[in-house]
Amino acid sequence: TQLLEQSPQFLSIQEGENLTVYCNSSSVFSSLQWYRQEPGEGPVLLVTVVTGGEVKKLKRLTFQFGDARKDSSLHITAAQPGDTGLYLCAEQYGGATNKLIFGTGTLLAVQP
Amino acid sequence: NAGVTQTPKFQVLKTGQSMTLQCAQDMNHEYMSWYRQDPGMGLRLIHYSVGAGITDQGEVPNGYNVSRSTTEDFPLRLLSAAPSQTSVYFCASRLPGLASGELFFGEGSRLTVL
Repeated sequence: TQLLEQSPQFLSIQEGENLTVYCNSSSVFSSLQWYRQEPGEGPVLLVTVVTGGEVKKLKRLTFQFGDARKDSSLHITAAQPGDTGLYLCAEQYGGATNKLIFGTGTLLAVQP
Repeated sequence: NAGVTQTPKFQVLKTGQSMTLQCAQDMNHEYMSWYRQDPGMGLRLIHYSVGAGITDQGEVPNGYNVSRSTTEDFPLRLLSAAPSQTSVYFCASRLPGLASGELFFGEGSRLTVL
């Protein structure tokens, strides 16, 4: 079974701090997505990365796809309370285009 | 825009009861799916459908049935609920043929089985 591991599982920081969360797989990703989920809501797509070594920026969020396409990271600069939520990575399972498999998530709490 | 609509939002069942979680989308998405979310386990795929009349199993299909008679609707049925099915259930849809395309999620249905 292909596994998506995310670390850390929990992260509590103060407003203004920087942080990085990680997503690792036992296999090569064909593409990887990052979602954010706020309490009581469904996940919302942040970004999709496809090419090894790719870096994408979304305001204070920087997403990186590993060169070997087996890992990805999300870096948040100067975190704000509005960044609080569950961050999930997701990939296609075993190359099957219709099975999007999610990692276990990183729960981020940004204290004002 | 309604997007993906799930009903009910909350439900309490007794062991052995049956129920159907409803999911409807108004974006003309051919691909629809059901996930369950449990603490520490992320989202796990239950069943999915690539179009009307076509369904397939995900990671954790046991205890759940689905059907897809229309493009808009994708109900999830629990035939005999068990406490292990206590979870938050999410329906999601996307455009066809875009494996890396965005999944649009409903707000979730919280199910408790006593």
